[in-house]
Amino acid sequence: EAGVAQSPRYKIIEKRQSVAFWCNPISGHATLYWYQQILGQGPKLLIQFQNNGVVDDSQLPKDRFSAERLKGVDSTLKIQPAKLEDSAVYLCASSLAEGRINYGYTFGSGTRLTVV
Amino acid sequence: AQKVTQAQTEISVVEKEDVTLDCVYETRDTTYYLFWYKQPPSGELVFLIRRNSFDEQNEISGRYSWNFQKSTSSFNFTITASQVVDSAVYFCALTSGQGAQKLVFGQGTRLTINP
Repeated sequence: EAGVAQSPRYKIIEKRQSVAFWCNPISGHATLYWYQQILGQGPKLLIQFQNNGVVDDSQLPKDRFSAERLKGVDSTLKIQPAKLEDSAVYLCASSLAEGRINYGYTFGSGTRLTVV
Repeated sequence: AQKVTQAQTEISVVEKEDVTLDCVYETRDTTYYLFWYKQPPSGELVFLIRRNSFDEQNEISGRYSWNFQKSTSSFNFTITASQVVDSAVYFCALTSGQGAQKLVFGQGTRLTINP
């Protein structure tokens, strides 16, 4: 099966500019996640969608970050305006779960953002 | 609250040595899943293993083995006869509760295998 697709692979922007990342999850995976991975740290959840609804966005800096998942399939994460500390890899993942059973997660290759 | 602790920030060994990566987790849920991922320099997260809280059997896959102990809330990962290609950052992760829940990662252990 096709994996989780993300684009772009790399992005360099100046601070205060805006940027958008795109993710297409595995077909049939209802749950989609955006993670931020700062260099030297583990990935941290920014937002979780179940179909097109938000399940958890408690760690999303809502003054500058926004995300949407229209039609419950692909998703876009936006940063506006960007700050230097937003430099990180942004990982998208999707998962399949039925009842109590969690079948695991599939991660995309990530978008490496550098803010200068 | 869920938490994963990987106390070893960096480990460096010589090729062919055995190495164990430690992982300690915290959760109040009785249903949970533990994962290990490998992140090579290219940056992608490579899935290694998933273990649910009801299955305490240890698992071996080639040179990799995992020791799950609920009594100490640990899920340690051992590489036997390490190879240079094993060099990467390894993450332990936890999800708890039912259905699709977020994955909580540890800080990672950077493993360097020297020839």
